[in-house]
Amino acid sequence: DQQVKQNSPSLSVQEGRISILNCDYTNSMFDYFLWYKKYPAEGPTFLISISSIKDKNEDGRFTVFLNKSAKHLSLHIVPSQPGDSAVYFCAASFGDAGNMLTFGGGTRLMVKP
Amino acid sequence: EPEVTQTPSHQVTQMGQEVILRCVPISNHLYFYWYRQILGQKVEFLVSFYNNEISEKSEIFDDQFSVERPDGSNFTLKIRSTKLEDSAMYFCASSEASGRVDTQYFGPGTRLTVL
Repeated sequence: DQQVKQNSPSLSVQEGRISILNCDYTNSMFDYFLWYKKYPAEGPTFLISISSIKDKNEDGRFTVFLNKSAKHLSLHIVPSQPGDSAVYFCAASFGDAGNMLTFGGGTRLMVKP
Repeated sequence: EPEVTQTPSHQVTQMGQEVILRCVPISNHLYFYWYRQILGQKVEFLVSFYNNEISEKSEIFDDQFSVERPDGSNFTLKIRSTKLEDSAMYFCASSEASGRVDTQYFGPGTRLTVL
C-alpha cells in the first residue's frame, strides 16, 4: 500500500541554496497534508501543514505547495542551513480530528556547509 | 513549549513477555495515537483514542495490543505477548482536535527490542 510516496530517498544541497522535497499521493480523499522533520533517535517534529483548499502555505523559510490535480506536494526550504539536515516525512490525512496519518517513506536531506 | 513525553526510551524484553509503553500527551489535547516504525520502514499508524475509547485502529493493532488512559495524564500501549517482529520504535502522538484540520505532535519514541 503506497498511498503516500517520497521517491527521492536522499537529497544533498549546498548551504544557502533551496531544498525541494517532493511527495506524491494516490488517494484523492486526503485533504490535509503535513511535513515532519526527524533527527535520529527522536520523534517526528511537526514543520508545516496545508489544507486541500489551499495551494500554498508559508512559514518562515518553509513553504509547502500543493497541486491537487497532480496529487503532488512539495516542501521548499530557503535558504537551506546545515541544521536542516534530517529526514523529512510527508504525511496525509482525511483532515478530521482523530484520523490516522499516512506517511511517506522519508527523504534524507543533507545540507553541506 | 508543551511536548509529548514517552518512557522508557529503550525497552528490551524476551519474546512472549508483556510490555507497557508509557506516554504523557500534551495536557490540553484530546486525541491520542500510537505509531510504530520498524527499522528501515515507514512510520505506521496503530491506533487512535478519544474519550476513553479507541476511535480507529489499523490491521497491525490485533488482540495482542491494547491501549489505556489509566489516569488524567498517562496513555499506555500494552503488548501482551511480544514477538520478534514487534521490535520497532513506538511513537506516541497527541492532537488538540479543534477545528477540521488537526495536527498531531509526536513524542521522542520508545525503542522496543524483542529478543
